[in-house]
Amino acid sequence: DIQMTQSPSSLSASVGDRVTITCRASQDINKNLDWFQQKPGKAPKSLIHSASTLLSGVPSRFSGSGSGTDFTLTISSLQPDDFATYYCRQHMNYPITFGQGTRLET
Amino acid sequence: EVQLVESGGALVQTGGSLRLSCAVSGFTLSDYYVDWVRQAPGMGLEWVGRSRNRANSYTTEYAASVMGRFTISRDDSESSLYLRMNSLQTDDAAVYYCARVITPLGYVDYWGQGTLVTVSS
Repeated sequence: DIQMTQSPSSLSASVGDRVTITCRASQDINKNLDWFQQKPGKAPKSLIHSASTLLSGVPSRFSGSGSGTDFTLTISSLQPDDFATYYCRQHMNYPITFGQGTRLET
Repeated sequence: EVQLVESGGALVQTGGSLRLSCAVSGFTLSDYYVDWVRQAPGMGLEWVGRSRNRANSYTTEYAASVMGRFTISRDDSESSLYLRMNSLQTDDAAVYYCARVITPLGYVDYWGQGTLVTVSS
C-alpha cells in the first residue's frame, strides 16, 4: 500500500498568515494527489485535484503543487473560514489512501 | 444540483449486518464511479471501496480491512448505491460517506453528508 504522510499534524496560525502543508507519498504517484478540507461534524470538501487544479468555487488563495512523492498545499492568506483539518489522498494505486490529516487552528 | 444522500446508519451489535444507501440526484449514476469512505470517531478518513460505472461493468474494489465482509452494489434505475456490511466489528464504527468520482482523473468532487454506524459489543 502507498503510505501518505502529512506534516505537520497540527499547525497554529493567524488570519492573514501564509500556511503550507506537506504530503509525502511512500512511492511515486505522479500527480494523482487530491486535497480535502473538513470541518468538525461536516463532510469533507474537495479543494484540489491532480496535485494543483482547484475545483470550481474554491478560493484562489488555495494552491497545490508537487509531483512524484512530494506535494504541498498552500493557503496564501489565511481567512477565518479556513481553520479546519486538511487531508491529502492518493489515487494512483489501490487501495486509495489518505494522509492522517493536518489540523489548522488559531 | 449534484447531491448524494446517505442513509441506513444505525446501532448494531458485533457480528451483525447493515445496509447503507447512497441516493444520488443531479447526475446519471450509471456514468460515474462512486467511493465509500469512512471516518471513525476522532480519526482520519479511510477509503472503504469503489463501484465503477456501467462502462466498466460495475466492477468493485475494496480495502483489505473490509474485503469479504462488505459488498458494494447499485441500482441505477433507482439512482442509488448500496454498501452491505456483514460481520460488523467495533472498529467498523464510523461515519460513512459516499462520494462521486470523476474519471479518468480519479478525483472526488462531491460528497454526501454521511451516515453514522455504531457497533456495540
